[in-house]
Amino acid sequence: GQQLNQSPQSMFIQEGEDVSMNCTSSSIFNTWLWYKQDPGEGPVLLIALYKAGELTSNGRLTAQFGITRKDSFLNISASIPSDVGIYFCAGKGTMGFGNEKLTFGTGTRLTIIP
Amino acid sequence: KAGVTQTPRYLIKTRGQQVTLSCSPISGHRSVSWYQQTPGQGLQFLFEYFSETQRNKGNFPGRFSGRQFSNSRSEMNVSTLELGDSALYLCASSRPGQGGTGANVLTFGAGSRLTVL
Repeated sequence: GQQLNQSPQSMFIQEGEDVSMNCTSSSIFNTWLWYKQDPGEGPVLLIALYKAGELTSNGRLTAQFGITRKDSFLNISASIPSDVGIYFCAGKGTMGFGNEKLTFGTGTRLTIIP
Repeated sequence: KAGVTQTPRYLIKTRGQQVTLSCSPISGHRSVSWYQQTPGQGLQFLFEYFSETQRNKGNFPGRFSGRQFSNSRSEMNVSTLELGDSALYLCASSRPGQGGTGANVLTFGAGSRLTVL
């Protein structure tokens, strides 16, 4: 199935460091979403982006909808232990209003080194 | 308000058996989507139901099917199970009109982890 290219695949950082990850697609998306998944749980929505160029923050998280509509970025500032998990980007295409199909990125696994 | 509820959370089946998974969406959410998550393939879209009708379908064989009831609850069924069907099956619901520009944000359940032996 189709997937977005998400990088990096994994990150090992120290508490307090900033984190950046991104997703790119060969297709144009109308919506970009960023989810976080903890072990044994379903993905939880972090940020939703609806317009090209849009920059949206949620606490220490900031995400941007790329101008080309083919990419998106997520930044986490001053990481804390609870940031550990897998982060997924997801895009929703241009198949019309109400189409629910999301295409997911391959995920970025964030680990915080003590 | 209660989130998306999936049952069972864990189950073990053997090859050739069939399985039915259940999903209760958030109250007021009429769209239910199903995704399969595996380490190798990531999150793959199975299908989406809205008002008891399948509105979108992913690239899965006919062994995978689903339905939605009048109360928006949904079930998915996998027949003639294969080892490769072992996965976390995620259900997500959304309410039409939520969010900007008509985009409907999906809220996921915790998933049903299926192991096929």
